[in-house]
Amino acid sequence: QKEVEQNSGPLSVPEGAIASLNCTYSDRGSQSFFWYRQYSGKSPELIMFIYSNGDKEDGRFTAQLNKASQYVSLLIRDSQPSDSATYLCAVTTNAGKSTFGDGTTLTVKP
Amino acid sequence: SQTIHQWPATLVQPVGSPLSLECTVEGTSNPNLYWYRQAAGRGLQLLFYSVGIGQISSEVPQNLSASRPQDRQFILSSKKLLLSDSGFYLCAWTSGSVNEQFFGPGTRLTVL
Repeated sequence: QKEVEQNSGPLSVPEGAIASLNCTYSDRGSQSFFWYRQYSGKSPELIMFIYSNGDKEDGRFTAQLNKASQYVSLLIRDSQPSDSATYLCAVTTNAGKSTFGDGTTLTVKP
Repeated sequence: SQTIHQWPATLVQPVGSPLSLECTVEGTSNPNLYWYRQAAGRGLQLLFYSVGIGQISSEVPQNLSASRPQDRQFILSSKKLLLSDSGFYLCAWTSGSVNEQFFGPGTRLTVL
């Protein structure tokens, strides 16, 4: 079992819809959870991080964390074609090292 | 503001040749520094991380090595490249307690 698992996709949604990206992790000692966006050929850039159970909203993005289920998700509301990218989930232990999932490719169709 | 630089942006090297990739960070002090490799269509594999000058931790046995000669400089090296070393190499830094990572532009290495 991978330490961090994501559906590889591709996930395709129409413009204006909600895109839902999911991630599960195996280490119950994980402390911090991050979502990065990576455009093709570019380096990842941080979208959001979350530490506590529940929801965290930032503009069109909402991160959700459920530590009991070892599950973290990212919702993108009013999806735009510019949101088309690969989304990487990363999990960090208190030792400070991050483990990344393989990413979910999102395509938003105009 | 903080900036992270990597060079070169692209590199094509023959099998058996040496490698040196450099990463520098500006605008911060005592950063934690990381080298990752990303194969096509895959996530990031942590290769090395450093919490200070001369302090290197290796995550994956391989023919690569890393050094941190200065606080804001991180170097990835190899004496003899293998075909399997091809990939997208990313340097990242983090500081403080948040552990959010900031990535450089990356080096795309092709070993032929």
